[in-house]
Amino acid sequence: AQSVTQLGSHVSVSEGALVLLRCNYSSSVPPYLFWYVQYPNQGLQLLLKYTTGATLVKGINGFEAEFKKSETSFHLTKPSAHMSDAAEYFCAVSGSNSGGSNYKLTFGKGTLLTVNP
Amino acid sequence: ETGVTQSPTHLIKTRGQQVTLRCSSQSGHNTVSWYQQALGQGPQFIFQYYREEENGRGNFPPRFSGLQFPNYSSELNVNALELDDSALYLCASSLVRHGGGTDTQYFGPGTRLTVL
Repeated sequence: AQSVTQLGSHVSVSEGALVLLRCNYSSSVPPYLFWYVQYPNQGLQLLLKYTTGATLVKGINGFEAEFKKSETSFHLTKPSAHMSDAAEYFCAVSGSNSGGSNYKLTFGKGTLLTVNP
Repeated sequence: ETGVTQSPTHLIKTRGQQVTLRCSSQSGHNTVSWYQQALGQGPQFIFQYYREEENGRGNFPPRFSGLQFPNYSSELNVNALELDDSALYLCASSLVRHGGGTDTQYFGPGTRLTVL
């Protein structure tokens, strides 16, 4: 079984400030981890993903996340917020699996990021 | 490369009716997953189709059913609509390579279903 907890349903930062969105996961198998962004009235866009290898992953729009197995965390960061970053962010986990099947994504409840001028 | 497309964009139905939502997968992808996103919540997995067969199902009743076609497009059917079925329905496609292994799911824009 897998689950995701996103700490803070709403995060507000000033333009140019550090963005930190928290995600903790639970998984009975080695996890694959994802961050998606959703703009109003749109679908989900992939920001970045961790599967195997380097634990610090870089994504689009200057975002990055670090997989910390000991802390079961996959927090999303960006050094300097931009107004266009305002959106809802979802952390998701899936199971790495053997066999010919792709596995479901389990999402957190999301964190709404607002950026103040 | 064509992305994931969904139709219709919006839909209004009344309680007890049936609805069919459609999804065209991204070019080169062979797996389709469906998710329900209620207002203010994260997406919830409904089911996944791989090689035209259901490959995993979430905690949804049998009145939620689906199909995958030889061209890898997919339909989600919901019978006996209830008010709580009002949500954004998201389709995601991905590529499963021979021999297994997961791959990234790419999402369409969604279909907003309102049940009155």
